[in-house]
Amino acid sequence: DIQMTQSPSTLSASVGDTVTITCRASQSISTWLAWYQQKPGKAPELLIYKASNLESGVPSRFSGSGSGTEFALTISSLQPDDFATYYCQQYNSYSKTFGLGTKLEIK
Amino acid sequence: DVQVVESGGGLVQPGGSLRLSCAASGFSFSNYAMSWVRQAPGEGLEWVSTISGSGSSTFYADSVKGRFTLSKDNSKKTLYLQMNSLRAEDTALYYCAKERDGSYGHWGQGTLVTVSS
Repeated sequence: DIQMTQSPSTLSASVGDTVTITCRASQSISTWLAWYQQKPGKAPELLIYKASNLESGVPSRFSGSGSGTEFALTISSLQPDDFATYYCQQYNSYSKTFGLGTKLEIK
Repeated sequence: DVQVVESGGGLVQPGGSLRLSCAASGFSFSNYAMSWVRQAPGEGLEWVSTISGSGSSTFYADSVKGRFTLSKDNSKKTLYLQMNSLRAEDTALYYCAKERDGSYGHWGQGTLVTVSS
């Protein structure tokens, strides 16, 4: 199975900051990578698919990059609503592995 | 609007069985693969199982293979997850999710499964 290593596990930042979360795959997954945001008590929401495609309705301050084994989610000009947990997910194989998550906290 | 609504969760003893359902609306159900993803209390997301749009192909995580069976009734627009030989480690919130290109564009609110004596 493909393993996804997500870092950092926790990130402290302030409103207005730009932050980057990274995800590394144990083998090449081309661009078959998605990013999700999850808030407490809520289902995850898709932010980015196929590594860099912004899901409809998602603010443009969210962006994704990468291919192969190295990927990043960048959030520019953090807003109060952005403090949540973020997960990457590979779907190169039928076994769709998630990263362990990054909790984005207010500094 | 696309909607998926899970049901069937509850408290079950170790070794017991439970069947989860996911009712879909707002899209052509037979054209889309569907999955279950679970989240243990305070933990991250774990992919459980996926079924193709036609229902002819199913895929399972190693942790549930041989114990869980995924099926779909396209005429009823409903997804089913039959869970047998349940273990304490199966305790989680189970989400039904609609695939777009392999990613999950729509999720339900989840149904809680608790395995405990």
